[in-house]
Amino acid sequence: NAGVMQNPRHLVRRRGQEARLRCSPMKGHSHVYWYRQLPEEGLKFMVYLQKENIIDESGMPKERFSAEFPKEGPSILRIQQVVRGDSAAYFCASSPTSASGYTGELFFGEGSRLTVL
Amino acid sequence: GDSVTQMEGPVTLSEEACLTINCTYTATGYPSLFWYVQYPGEGLQLLLKATKADDKGSNKGFEATYRKETTSFHLEKGSVQVSDSAVYFCALSDLEGYNKLIFGAGTRLAVHP
Repeated sequence: NAGVMQNPRHLVRRRGQEARLRCSPMKGHSHVYWYRQLPEEGLKFMVYLQKENIIDESGMPKERFSAEFPKEGPSILRIQQVVRGDSAAYFCASSPTSASGYTGELFFGEGSRLTVL
Repeated sequence: GDSVTQMEGPVTLSEEACLTINCTYTATGYPSLFWYVQYPGEGLQLLLKATKADDKGSNKGFEATYRKETTSFHLEKGSVQVSDSAVYFCALSDLEGYNKLIFGAGTRLAVHP
């Protein structure tokens, strides 16, 4: 029973390049959340997606960042023209659809650590 | 906006010592409160939660009580083990729409034999 899978675990990019981070939610989960953890800081909410829909992107920087969760395949967080300040750990989490409401339990992946040189 | 403040780490304890990690929150409504734990090399996982005032969440010997009057949710354990070494995150959510959690900065705990 695989958990949330993220790849790559570590990614090194030079300034100006693109970074693509992938997340496969747990089987049966249709909700995906992306969080960013800057050094010595807590996790900051970025975006919440359901299949083919962005529900809440209030935590996403207005430029260079985008996210998708297609009907088939993993969710992707894309960062264009990376800068040193994008260096962080990016965590993906998933949760199931629940008829009884939301419980607050998110299932996290191990994170993707982006280093921008 | 809503926020969570945790005590700074690292917290270093000897095995079998008592643990308290302080957590306070600011929220406009009545949030649910959570503690998540991150073991080395792993993703975060839910440790315990409380959904209303005076509720006590508990798991694996850890406890936390939702104190509305002091807006706190301190994590406690009577006797820590080396295997408890991890980073602990306090979080809140209004659960109005979906599982959007607001996290504290995390507190690193190191337990020595």
